[in-house]
Amino acid sequence: DIVMTQSPDSLAVSLGERATINCKSSQTVLSSYNNKNYLAWYQQKPGQPPKLLIYWASTRESGVPERFSGSGSGTEFTLTISSLQAEDAAVYYCHQYYDTPWTFGQGTKVEIK
Amino acid sequence: EVQLVESGGGLVQPGGSLRLSCAASGFTFSSHWMHWVRQAPGKGLVWVSYINSDGRSRSYADSVKGRFTISRDNAKNTLYLQMNSLGAEDTAVYYCARGPYCSGPNCDPIQWGQGTLVTVSS
Repeated sequence: DIVMTQSPDSLAVSLGERATINCKSSQTVLSSYNNKNYLAWYQQKPGQPPKLLIYWASTRESGVPERFSGSGSGTEFTLTISSLQAEDAAVYYCHQYYDTPWTFGQGTKVEIK
Repeated sequence: EVQLVESGGGLVQPGGSLRLSCAASGFTFSSHWMHWVRQAPGKGLVWVSYINSDGRSRSYADSVKGRFTISRDNAKNTLYLQMNSLGAEDTAVYYCARGPYCSGPNCDPIQWGQGTLVTVSS
């Protein structure tokens, strides 16, 4: 199974500041067939389902604010919130869908400082 | 618009059974592998099972193998999860998810439903 490891487990960021979450996979999630990274990022708030933010490692889902961006390739990925807003307080997960079983990072809790 | 709508969750006694459904619309259901993912209260996301596009290939997490059965009806655009011998450890929100599908340079991304809560308790 591909192990997904996120860092940090939690972080506190001031409003308007940048938040960066890292995700490492134990094996590549880059497909040699179509050159796509099978990596997604989700935001989850209490009592709500995970909200898809980013797929193919860097493609923003429709309706997701531009302050959310994804980068990386192969085994190392980053989710960046360029200017943290109050509504961004949540848990964020990375997810590889390159291979089954699908696997997820343990989650990173983002709080407002 | 792509929609995945789960149903069938509820309260069930230990040892009981439940059948979840996931109604799909807005895309070619029969082209996509489909998955179930669950999230226990206060915990992270855990993959449960997948089924390929024609239903001939399936796989399960070790924790549910032999108790859960995934199936699909491509004519009805519906995914199912039959859950038997349920225990407290199966209490979770269950999400159905669409796997990606690529045809040449064009790829449909993953998508998730809103989930259905399964509570196993006496």
